[in-house]
Amino acid sequence: IQLTQSPSLLSASVGDRVTLSCKGSQNINNYLAWYQQKLGEAPKLLIYKTNSLQTGIPSRFSGSGSGTDYTLTISSLHSEDLATYYCYQYNNGWTFGGGTKLELK
Amino acid sequence: QVQLKESGPGLVQPSQTLSLTCTVSGFSLTSNSVSWVRQPPGKGLEWMGAIWRGGSTDYNSALKSRLSISRDTSKSQVFLKMNSLQTEDTAIYFCTRSDSGPFDYWGQGVMVTVSS
Repeated sequence: IQLTQSPSLLSASVGDRVTLSCKGSQNINNYLAWYQQKLGEAPKLLIYKTNSLQTGIPSRFSGSGSGTDYTLTISSLHSEDLATYYCYQYNNGWTFGGGTKLELK
Repeated sequence: QVQLKESGPGLVQPSQTLSLTCTVSGFSLTSNSVSWVRQPPGKGLEWMGAIWRGGSTDYNSALKSRLSISRDTSKSQVFLKMNSLQTEDTAIYFCTRSDSGPFDYWGQGVMVTVSS
């Protein structure tokens, strides 16, 4: 399964509601996770099984979707959320999307 | 607490073999799987392969012919060996744990440069 993330680069302001998209080449059956990676760090798990929030992750992060189309939403952008976000499917094999870099406008 | 730490050479010559070790603590290799994920400089993440709780392995089809993953449960170590290295194999190599789902804990990563 191939994953396509859009946009590849997103400019937003602190306080904005931000939506990132991930589209699979086949049905992912909700086995979709989201990772946040800051420069020089390992990825951090934010969301698993489409909409389950990992322990310790702020509630401003949420996930949704079904079938081939999935979304990560940040309800109110904080400055510390600036990072690259990757979707990852573990339904059929194991694949990462190409990433969305979130920067300050 | 759960920890993973990668170790290995920072520089490998082209056509040579890369050997990396992931030393884990806070969990058992017979209870959780460990995968290797790599990231070329400035690029995205690539799943390379995994060793499962029972010791079986799966590999990315693009790397399968060059890659081997094994483990020593008594030492809590997972090993990666990849041969015929080329410059495009230059990357940060991470080991990461899975608990029957996505990767929940990651090592800090080790930078490997392929150059003569």
